[in-house]
Amino acid sequence: GAVVSQHPSWVICKSGTSVKIECRSLDFQATTMFWYRQFPKQSLMLMATSNEGSKATYEQGVEKDKFLINHASLTLSTLTVTSAHPEDSSFYICSAQGTSGGRGTDTQYFGPGTRLTVL
Amino acid sequence: QKEVEQNSGPLSVPEGAIASLNCTYSDRVSQSFFWYRQYSGKSPELIMSIYSNGDKEDGRFTAQLNKASQYVSLLIRDSQPSDSATYLCAVKNQGGKLIFGQGTELSVKP
Repeated sequence: GAVVSQHPSWVICKSGTSVKIECRSLDFQATTMFWYRQFPKQSLMLMATSNEGSKATYEQGVEKDKFLINHASLTLSTLTVTSAHPEDSSFYICSAQGTSGGRGTDTQYFGPGTRLTVL
Repeated sequence: QKEVEQNSGPLSVPEGAIASLNCTYSDRVSQSFFWYRQYSGKSPELIMSIYSNGDKEDGRFTAQLNKASQYVSLLIRDSQPSDSATYLCAVKNQGGKLIFGQGTELSVKP
């Protein structure tokens, strides 16, 4: 149980293009999804928190117009990196937290991550 | 002071030994604590959660929590080379966010 998928697993794009990353909870309803970014040899940095059906809450220093988050259903959240630049190259990881067997849980389960390279 | 602190390591132990990973946190009201394992190039995977003072065992893993000392640890018994990874301590804050330590790199030598 508690499986989270991400697609794509890796993507290479040209500078100035936009990239969409999908995060899906496969066997539970994710009331809350989180988006993290991780640079090499560093820990995870929370970018934003999204609750189903409402606007995402962004962490300080994260540009909401650059990193568009949509949490349209209880099983899907998307992160769109708009006008990507080489400095946006990173490992993007989503996590999901939700309900299991009708009960809420406070455990975050992570997707496998998406490695973005912007040329 | 960082909210969640871990020794970055690397921590090197021989195969079959006990690996001890430590973590301290600054927010006294935290109630939820997690250990994740992250292999190089992969995303974190949950090892254990712990909420109450004392020990919690799951197979070769034991998490220990001491809220008075604001300290949480992870013991790995009979360490295997496949346990070589970075171990992340995470504490949930009052806002519901996970605050991660910088991770401890563990190397288990055959």
